Amino acid sequence: DARVTQTPRHKVTEMGQEVTMRCQPILGHNTVFWYRQTMMQGLELLAYFRNRAPLDDSGMPKDRFSAEMPDATLATLKIQPSEPRDSAVYFCASGLGHRTDTQYFGPGTRLTVL
Amino acid sequence: AQSVTQLDSQVPVFEEAPVELRCNYSSSVSVYLFWYVQYPNQGLQLLLKYLSGSTLVKGINGFEAEFNKSQTSFHLRKPSVHISDTAEYFCAVSSTGTASKLTFGTGTRLQVTL
Repeated sequence: DARVTQTPRHKVTEMGQEVTMRCQPILGHNTVFWYRQTMMQGLELLAYFRNRAPLDDSGMPKDRFSAEMPDATLATLKIQPSEPRDSAVYFCASGLGHRTDTQYFGPGTRLTVL
Repeated sequence: AQSVTQLDSQVPVFEEAPVELRCNYSSSVSVYLFWYVQYPNQGLQLLLKYLSGSTLVKGINGFEAEFNKSQTSFHLRKPSVHISDTAEYFCAVSSTGTASKLTFGTGTRLQVTL
């Protein structure tokens, strides 16, 4: 049963520290999405990639967030420096890149910044 | 640009009762529509999607939705709910063009009680 995996599942850190979240998309999927979910804002799209190239990162605070795909099996989302307002659940999803396709979500990384 | 409105933030219902979760969308072009479900502490998973053809779409776990173009709606229904249906439900619309980005609604919390 192919699944999207995310690590770590939980992360508690102090303000100012660097945070790196990792995602392994389903093998064969060429599109990866990063979402952030909070009670106040709901589900927000931060960035997404197709064939490892960033297509849209307009939802991401550019000064502190960065997203990359070093290879087809790994996507990373980095926050440096982290702030308390970054506390949220971060989801990665992957798909085959067409408008009709299903997005397959990982279990999320719950980030708490103290 | 597309948008999705889920008017009900919470829907309480008794077990075995029918339920309808409302979703309205706004778009200047034809759309694809999706319902995703999020169980506690999990990522989202696809319930069903409307691409074309029959306006009544059947999904997993006994859910169905009806696409109504004139009313720009895509309401989700289930004739008899179970305790295990307690979850957050998200309606989403695909973006135009070649991208596979989804625009999500704010979600409806379905709370099923005995």
